[in-house]
Amino acid sequence: GAVVSQHPSRVICKSGTSVKIECRSLDFQATTMFWYRQFPKQSLMLMATSNEGSKATYEQGVEKDKFLINHASLTLSTLTVTSAHPEDSSFYICSASLSETQYFGPGTRLLVL
Amino acid sequence: AQSVTQLDSHVSVSEGTPVLLRCNYSSSYSPSLFWYVQHPNKGLQLLLKYTSAATLVKGINGFEAEFKKSETSFHLTKPSAHMSDAAEYFCVVSYLTGTASKLTFGTGTRLQVTL
Repeated sequence: GAVVSQHPSRVICKSGTSVKIECRSLDFQATTMFWYRQFPKQSLMLMATSNEGSKATYEQGVEKDKFLINHASLTLSTLTVTSAHPEDSSFYICSASLSETQYFGPGTRLLVL
Repeated sequence: AQSVTQLDSHVSVSEGTPVLLRCNYSSSYSPSLFWYVQHPNKGLQLLLKYTSAATLVKGINGFEAEFKKSETSFHLTKPSAHMSDAAEYFCVVSYLTGTASKLTFGTGTRLQVTL
């Protein structure tokens, strides 16, 4: 139980384009999902908290117009990286909350050329 | 404020020998603590969690951790390492903000298992 999926697992895009990443809780409903970013050999950095039916809450220093989050249903949250640039290249990981425990997706590696 | 300190960035053990990954926490109230494991280019898998029940917590794959309030520690142990245990391990503390429980991550400990 408590399985979270992400799609795509890997994406390469050109600078200036937008990329959408999906996060789904497969066997449970999640009112709250989270988006993290992880740089090589570093820990996870929380970007934002995604709340079903309301606006996302962004951490300090994260541009909400750059990283658009939509929590369309209790099983789906999406992160759109708008006008991506090479510095946005990273490993993006989502999690879904169930009984005060976060279950993580497998991550999406984004490479912006 | 909540924080966790993982005392070792890298630990190397021989297969079949015990594993000890150290973690100290700081929390202004009774914390919820977790250990997650991350294999290369993968997401995080929950190993175990402590939420103010038994202080000795058993997790998956033979791992366990003991919550010691007097020492503010939550060290992860396993009696006998296996090659498949080689990965990055994160000690994590949970804190409530508004209606959501957020996580603060340690910097991680890379476990290497040698033959």
